Amino acid sequence: DTGVSQDPRHKITKRGQNVTFRCDPISEHNRLYWYRQTLGQGPEFLTYFQNEAQLEKSRLLSDRFSAERPKGSFSTLEIQRTEQGDSAMYLCASSPTGFSPSNYGYTFGSGTRLTVV
Amino acid sequence: AQSVAQPEDQVNVAEGNPLTVKCTYSVSGNPYLFWYVQYPNRGLQFLLKYITGDNLVKGSYGFEAEFNKSQTSFHLKKPSALVSDSALYFCAVRDWGTGANNLFFGTGTRLTVIP
Repeated sequence: DTGVSQDPRHKITKRGQNVTFRCDPISEHNRLYWYRQTLGQGPEFLTYFQNEAQLEKSRLLSDRFSAERPKGSFSTLEIQRTEQGDSAMYLCASSPTGFSPSNYGYTFGSGTRLTVV
Repeated sequence: AQSVAQPEDQVNVAEGNPLTVKCTYSVSGNPYLFWYVQYPNRGLQFLLKYITGDNLVKGSYGFEAEFNKSQTSFHLKKPSALVSDSALYFCAVRDWGTGANNLFFGTGTRLTVIP
């Protein structure tokens, strides 16, 4: 396991279409996070899973967004009825439960860049 | 509430010179602080973190950062800049305000190392 994997790397979709992204975290990490990064900004927290339970959702996560982590391993983020404002880089991160000087804390994937046209 | 300020949108430095990328923070709990680097169209790469212990933290690629509690700062430094260090740098703090313990990021500083 070499890190956090995200698929696809790029997605271009027409406004109004649904899109789904996948994240495979580091296998021993039980925490998984989704972030959104728009151009010129830092990443913003969207939602968080501990194992299969979605424990926290940001106000940024409108009802068009849904995330799942059915078996506590990989996660999917779906955006329904996409809008141009959804265009962004969607980043996934995973972490162990505890933080210590010997671990990275949070490991990020390379992201999925979504363009809504 | 947590906040992170990166006061400089852009930092330019000549190759071989020392570099500093500034970060100040405000947290309601213990300050867990992180620096990440982002190359074009890529995710975030971990550079270093401060959780506890020595105020001077050494990280990847020759970077280091100094935790200063009195000034609430966590500036990123490197003694001798390389052209390959040119990238976008983010300071982040663990958000104690939510149960998620997620990271709260600054707006980023673009570092350009001039050959």
